[in-house]
Amino acid sequence: DVKVTQSSRYLVKRTGEKVFLECVQDMDHENMFWYRQDPGLGLRLIYFSYDVKMKEKGDIPEGYSVSREKKERFSLILESASTNQTSMYLCASSLNGGLYTEAFFGQGTRLTVV
Amino acid sequence: AQTVTQSQPEMSVQEAETVTLSCTYDTSESDYYLFWYKQPPSRQMILVIRQEAYKQQNATENRFSVNFQKAAKSFSLKISDSQLGDAAMYFCAHRWLDRNVFGPGTRLSVLP
Repeated sequence: DVKVTQSSRYLVKRTGEKVFLECVQDMDHENMFWYRQDPGLGLRLIYFSYDVKMKEKGDIPEGYSVSREKKERFSLILESASTNQTSMYLCASSLNGGLYTEAFFGQGTRLTVV
Repeated sequence: AQTVTQSQPEMSVQEAETVTLSCTYDTSESDYYLFWYKQPPSRQMILVIRQEAYKQQNATENRFSVNFQKAAKSFSLKISDSQLGDAAMYFCAHRWLDRNVFGPGTRLSVLP
């Protein structure tokens, strides 16, 4: 089974802190994604990566950065956390094999910024 | 812009009954895929069913089937013989390039 693992299920951070959310997948997928999930808004793409050291901005990249030094690991960084970044964060991965390929998700990290 | 709309924020169904979740999307692409994902309370999102735009036949997966109307850009999910384990958030998604565009979700409750 494909496994996408996020380092924390729950996280509480203070305003202004630098926050790292880690995601690891074990199926050699090329593509990795970070989404933010908010009620009534669904999943919004923050950043994605289709190869090591490659990254593309999604729909809401402001206030976030990412790092992909190894194929299996994709990190989301909040440079200076703010209360409006309190949300559920979902990591996903997929093969770079065409339109039909499904995304596999981690269990999510609920981040609270106080 | 690629957009996905789910007009039903919440729905409920009686156990063993059938329910249909609606989804519309907007795209200028001619070839694309559509997906329904399920997110149970455990939060692990999983794929329920997928449909290729070029295929006229509606996809089915056991109790789950879709009604794909390409001209109307409509992609509804039908769940037959609903079970308590079907209670979850359901997200419709449109695959565009290498990314998925998700709708806002429909929360489905299953009543015993």
